[in-house]
Amino acid sequence: GQNIDQPTEMTATEGAIVQINCTYQTSGFNGLFWYQQHAGEAPTFLSYNVLDGLEEKGRFSSFLSRSKGYSYLLLKELQMKDSASYLCACMDSNYQLIWGAGTKLIIKP
Amino acid sequence: DADVTQTPRNRITKTGKRIMLECSQTKGHDRMYWYRQDPGLGLRLIYYSFDVKDINKGEISDGYSVSRQAQAKFSLSLESAIPNQTALYFCATTAGTDTGELFFGEGSRLTVL
Repeated sequence: GQNIDQPTEMTATEGAIVQINCTYQTSGFNGLFWYQQHAGEAPTFLSYNVLDGLEEKGRFSSFLSRSKGYSYLLLKELQMKDSASYLCACMDSNYQLIWGAGTKLIIKP
Repeated sequence: DADVTQTPRNRITKTGKRIMLECSQTKGHDRMYWYRQDPGLGLRLIYYSFDVKDINKGEISDGYSVSRQAQAKFSLSLESAIPNQTALYFCATTAGTDTGELFFGEGSRLTVL
């Protein structure tokens, strides 16, 4: 079956760096997305990776290894506003998105 | 104003009632989706539509129906609501590419008693 695994919750300190991991098993692969979702709000797009390697976008970076079925989202210089859930989603061979349950990130002062 | 608007934002109803959730978008996108989100689970696709004449079932379409009234409007109906349909529902749109980002509405929280 198709599956996306990511940690349920993580805690980090303001100003620090945190890495949120995502592993996937899907029927085919057409890219991996990361979305941010603040409590009670809609998910918003953060990144898309389809090739191996690191994509950097300001304080956020996303990494993909297709051979390992693995991705991570790296958040640097954490701010209190980064407290949110981070959703990993993988696009399968039919271009259907398979979503992880999300990682709730708690930032402490 | 939001590019993707959902109404109502919150609704409490009783078992057996018919409920419609509406979604409209101003992004000019052809592709529209309905998802539900439950605690501890990933977003699950209910229905999707690639244009006005196109309706497709998603992963969990049983108990739901949809209508694509226009390019900008996509409604989700629960013909006879049941308690396990209590969830947060999101409408989303994307441009006509398979790997384009999704733009979500603000969500409709539905409680079925």
